[in-house]
Amino acid sequence: GQNIDQPTEMTATEGAIVQINCTYQTSGFNGLFWYQQHAGEAPTFLSYNVLDGLEEKGRFSSFLSRSKGYSYLLLKELQMKDSASYLCAVRDRGGGADGLTFGKGTHLIIQP
Amino acid sequence: DTAVSQTPKYLVTQMGNDKSIKCEQNLGHDTMYWYKQDSKKFLKIMFSYNNKELIINETVPNRFSPKSPDKAHLNLHINSLELGDSAVYFCASSSQGKSDTQYFGPGTRLTVL
Repeated sequence: GQNIDQPTEMTATEGAIVQINCTYQTSGFNGLFWYQQHAGEAPTFLSYNVLDGLEEKGRFSSFLSRSKGYSYLLLKELQMKDSASYLCAVRDRGGGADGLTFGKGTHLIIQP
Repeated sequence: DTAVSQTPKYLVTQMGNDKSIKCEQNLGHDTMYWYKQDSKKFLKIMFSYNNKELIINETVPNRFSPKSPDKAHLNLHINSLELGDSAVYFCASSSQGKSDTQYFGPGTRLTVL
């Protein structure tokens, strides 16, 4: 079966750094995605990892360890607009035609 | 320019009715998807479709049927609507490539009364 776990909610302070963890157990693995979703809006793509290591994109970085079934999303220099849900998703087969399996999302609250 | 668009944005209807949600993408992608996001915000794949195959999540009732008139469109038709169908439905698309990143439409909030 498919199982993706991430914390339900996290709180952080504006200007600080926060790390959102995701662990997964899937029947196969062909890439891990992080999406951001503001309330009432569509998920928007943040990052993609398929090989072990760190991918950096501006204030956001994502790390993957395939042997541990583990990823994290690191957000630096937090801004109030970063308050949103962050969704970890795994593609468990190649070709992309079978969709993504999502975790239940981490609701991140940024405090002044 | 809208990449993935859906209509309508809101849909309120009675139990037992039949309704359709339309999706269009202008990204030139060859694969499209429908997802359902329930009241707990859990996003779950319903269908994926490209010009070769339709893959159905086995938990989706057969009252739901995707219809694709062409590569840029994937509509979702729902028969005999039930209260539990109330959710936000997202369309997405991707291309066959290095990451196959999926891009989501704005969502359709369906309320069944």
